[in-house]
Amino acid sequence: SQTIHQWPATLVQPVGSPLSLECTVEGTSNPNLYWYRQAAGRGLQLLFYSVGIGQISSEVPQNLSASRPQDRQFILSSKKLLLSDSGFYLCAWSLKGVTEAFFGQGTRLTVV
Amino acid sequence: GENVEQHPSTLSVQEGDSAVIKCTYSDSASNYFPWYKQELGKRPQLIIDIRSNVGEKKDQRIAVTLNKTAKHFSLHITETQPEDSAVYFCAARNSGYALNFGKGTSLLVTP
Repeated sequence: SQTIHQWPATLVQPVGSPLSLECTVEGTSNPNLYWYRQAAGRGLQLLFYSVGIGQISSEVPQNLSASRPQDRQFILSSKKLLLSDSGFYLCAWSLKGVTEAFFGQGTRLTVV
Repeated sequence: GENVEQHPSTLSVQEGDSAVIKCTYSDSASNYFPWYKQELGKRPQLIIDIRSNVGEKKDQRIAVTLNKTAKHFSLHITETQPEDSAVYFCAARNSGYALNFGKGTSLLVTP
């Protein structure tokens, strides 16, 4: 069966520090991968998605970036965090085609 | 890109009543419309979905309808129970695989 791992679960970082959140999927190959951000009491904002290794589509311009160095690994990064980057970050995967997306446990990021 | 609008943002119903949440989408090429339930502090989980070649789908107390011409779809929950209280998200996926969500509806079912 397929599983998705996302870590860390919580993170407190100072303003201006770098960020790296990692997400890996097991039990499938060539998945679509997604990064979402959920601000407190807000909706799910699509940040990046990837349909293959090295292929990244950005939905929202910001100081975040994403990379997919391996088929089942998706990384969200920032060189310098802002206070507004605080939120709940969710990674998700789906099979190719018209299928549902499965979410990881999420990372609660607080920028102080 | 795809723009998904969801209404209402909050909904309070009495236990046993029905709840309806409505969404509209902008990209006519979108072909997949899932609904997710998110309990406090947890990840969203799929509760029902519908593909563009179907107009209605039902699973026990939950149903979803899709009107492709008008580009809107709705979630219907009948005989609501307190455990239905959560935030519900609609989403739309286009042929490019981007999955865009609405802003969510906070549903409260009071006993």
